Amino acid sequence: AQSVTQPDIHITVSEGASLELRCNYSYGATPYLFWYVQSPGQGLQLLLKYFSGDTLVQGIKGFEAEFKRSQSSFNLRKPSVHWSDAAEYFCAVGLQGAQKLVFGQGTRLTINP
Amino acid sequence: DTGVSQDPRHKITKRGQNVTFRCDPISEHNRLYWYRQTLGQGPEFLTYFQNEAQLEKSRLLSDRFSAERPKGSFSTLEIQRTEQGDSAMYLCASSPVYRGFYNEQFFGPGTRLTVL
Repeated sequence: AQSVTQPDIHITVSEGASLELRCNYSYGATPYLFWYVQSPGQGLQLLLKYFSGDTLVQGIKGFEAEFKRSQSSFNLRKPSVHWSDAAEYFCAVGLQGAQKLVFGQGTRLTINP
Repeated sequence: DTGVSQDPRHKITKRGQNVTFRCDPISEHNRLYWYRQTLGQGPEFLTYFQNEAQLEKSRLLSDRFSAERPKGSFSTLEIQRTEQGDSAMYLCASSPVYRGFYNEQFFGPGTRLTVL
């Protein structure tokens, strides 16, 4: 079955530390890939997206993600986190010919001062 | 820059009552989507419109749920005879249409429904 997996439900890092959030997908073809962030009580904000081309994509707020076809992964990274990065992060995929997004379960990020 | 707006932001209702939510997309966006998000989960697709046509509905959208987009602008999502299991955040998103290209979806702040 087609699916998106975020293996880490909750991650805690110290302010200034590096961050990597994992995302794996299971689809027959290469999907379109997205990372969204959701602050408490808020809607989803797009951080970055991958459609084709360079497999390392840059997003807003200093985030980047790397698409690895061989591992069916699209991990999100940030070299140095800030307290304001505390939020829920969702990986999502879209398929060509279909309009809906399929989301992972999300990873809640907590920042220690 | 006006984003996607949703009204109300919060709704508390008693089981068995009907509720209606409204979504106003970004003005030049042809596509409009509804998702449902329960606590601790990612959003799940419910339905989407292109202009006024409802083109896809999820099996999650039971016959108690109905969505409309009568003039191809704002959309409403109605839930009849609400059940406690309907308690969730209902998210609306919109996207433009460019030929042959998958377009990112812009999300509204959501309507949080609590069914007592």
